[in-house]
Amino acid sequence: QVTLKESGPVLVKPTETLTLTCTVSGFSLSNARMGVSWIRQPPGKALEWLAHIFSNDEKSYSTSLKSRLTISKDTSKSQVVLTMTNMDPVDTATYYCARIQDSSSIWFDPWGQGTLVTVSS
Amino acid sequence: SYELTQPPSVSVSPGQTARITCSGDALPKQYAYWYQQKPGQAPVLVIYKDSERPSGIPERFSGSSSGTTVTLTISGVQAEDEADYYCQSADSSGTPVFGGGTKLTVL
Repeated sequence: QVTLKESGPVLVKPTETLTLTCTVSGFSLSNARMGVSWIRQPPGKALEWLAHIFSNDEKSYSTSLKSRLTISKDTSKSQVVLTMTNMDPVDTATYYCARIQDSSSIWFDPWGQGTLVTVSS
Repeated sequence: SYELTQPPSVSVSPGQTARITCSGDALPKQYAYWYQQKPGQAPVLVIYKDSERPSGIPERFSGSSSGTTVTLTISGVQAEDEADYYCQSADSSGTPVFGGGTKLTVL
């Protein structure tokens, strides 16, 4: 059974850096063509793709957030880490990680349960 | 930036057919995917590659594509299908994009 679970702080202050960890099980981050993505959803709003990383370490970022995001993976720990710098209250959202099964055509299945991050002083 | 356009809401009575559309200029060249999200839960994939149904998804869920529009069809809608539905595809460079979401209300 494939599962993903997000972890990280529930509250961060404006200007701080957010670090989120996605721990996966049921598959390996070294599986060919497979990857993990981060997606967020502000309260009451739509989903927004943030970044992904593949088994070959290929990375991609949202154009609008690229300067603030870094994604990395630790295959031995089955973890994918996302950092987002200079947090702002508008970054308050539920952050999800999700598996990508095939780098040639990207869709997300399954998703983690999500973690709500609030940005407030 | 590339956008996928969905109607904000669709309402149907139980047993009827619900159709949720998603429009985007790149859809003729990029696959579309559909996710169901119930309140307080993570999204769940219900259709992939325009019209394929993952295992475990009821047969009443189907997808189709025509030009710049893809459609999620739910036949014989049940109360449990009330949820938000999001389409997802990619722009010309392969960057993933989500639609704005459609709230399906079962009357």
